[in-house]
Amino acid sequence: GAVVSQHPSWVICKSGTSVKIECRSLDFQATTMFWYRQFPKQSLMLMATSNEGSKATYEQGVEKDKFLINHASLTLSTLTVTSAHPEDSSFYICSARIWVGLNEQYFGPGTRLTVT
Amino acid sequence: QKEVEQNSGPLSVPEGAIASLNCTYSDRGSQSFFWYRQYSGKSPELIMSIYSNGDKEDGRFTAQLNKASQYVSLLIRDSQPSDSATYLCAARDDKIIFGKGTRLHILP
Repeated sequence: GAVVSQHPSWVICKSGTSVKIECRSLDFQATTMFWYRQFPKQSLMLMATSNEGSKATYEQGVEKDKFLINHASLTLSTLTVTSAHPEDSSFYICSARIWVGLNEQYFGPGTRLTVT
Repeated sequence: QKEVEQNSGPLSVPEGAIASLNCTYSDRGSQSFFWYRQYSGKSPELIMSIYSNGDKEDGRFTAQLNKASQYVSLLIRDSQPSDSATYLCAARDDKIIFGKGTRLHILP
């Protein structure tokens, strides 16, 4: 299957600071990338969809000014959590859709964010 | 509201038996269907995709799709303890919709 990487795999930051998470498709081009959040023992929650070169589309209830998404190229998308608070502590997972063939969607390994 | 429904479980299956996971979806426009496996603390891993009615087999896994009934299933033959995980069913038309997952526990 296709490989999606995320960096960092975990991060601890202080309340009020910003954190950037990178998502890369390593062996394919992804026209569309997705960002999810998952709290313990809960299901995946889609936060936003990003297409290369255009603004991200955010799901209802997700603050676009707090969760900044940049999809700079066909292999890289970044999520910046601005002015993080303890309630933002969660498991953030990116996903990339392969644009040829079967249009399958692959997940990165996730980034565990802890805000103290 | 487009939805994918799954029984949350846990579903307990003896080692070596067949595990049967089911899901239903609400959007008749869905064209693609997927099964993901998620271990605790890890991200989902795509294990099967199916696009047309019938069965699709890959190793110990068989996905079944019935579009008329809006029903997707996953069979795991010769279940192993390493199959213990949460299995997410997903359906896509323009956007992929995930179910909440079924927890599967294989009893040694």
